[in-house]
Amino acid sequence: GENVEQHPSTLSVQEGDSAVIKCTYSDSASNYFPWYKQELGKGPQLIIDIRSNVGEKKDQRIAVTLNKTAKHFSLHITETQPEDSAVYFCAASIGSGYSTLTFGKGTMLLVSP
Amino acid sequence: SAVISQKPSRDICQRGTSLTIQCQVDSQVTMMFWYRQQPGQSLTLIATANQGSEATYESGFVIDKFPISRPNLTFSTLTVSNMSPEDSSIYLCSVEDTRYTEAFFGQGTRLTVV
Repeated sequence: GENVEQHPSTLSVQEGDSAVIKCTYSDSASNYFPWYKQELGKGPQLIIDIRSNVGEKKDQRIAVTLNKTAKHFSLHITETQPEDSAVYFCAASIGSGYSTLTFGKGTMLLVSP
Repeated sequence: SAVISQKPSRDICQRGTSLTIQCQVDSQVTMMFWYRQQPGQSLTLIATANQGSEATYESGFVIDKFPISRPNLTFSTLTVSNMSPEDSSIYLCSVEDTRYTEAFFGQGTRLTVV
């Protein structure tokens, strides 16, 4: 089955810096790659996603890049703010649905004021 | 977006007992999913629940331990049976809402087994 590796496990940055989280996946059939943000005591919330027919997608301060050949994708957060502090999960979907997801182990992002 | 309500939000249970977690969605959805998130870990899919059919379980999860009901298009339950401390986790309900082309998650049920 699909295996998703995520790095780093923790990331500390100063407010205003950029943060990058990287994931690799194993199955070349995967075609959907969402990123979720999970705040303490809450369920994961989708922040951005990308499909295998697109190389990059941006939404304000957040961007995701996908390299199908290398089978890796990355989350980029610019101008980080303290409210960006949370656990971020990458995921990959090998099926036709959006919820048959294999998740990475998560990255705890800490943004210091 | 789809709004998902899970009950209870947390519980502390004695080993050997069972707990049923409810998941209610504010719209009709075809597919509902149950995930487990062990402390400090990622999310692992337990099973997929479609209305009108038996749930499909992932490797390592069995119906006797995690029976699931899906009586209609807006509701599902997950039971954690004969609990042991190793079952202490956050259990999350998720739905696929094709109107929004994304998966939505409930806030989770934090289960502690003592």
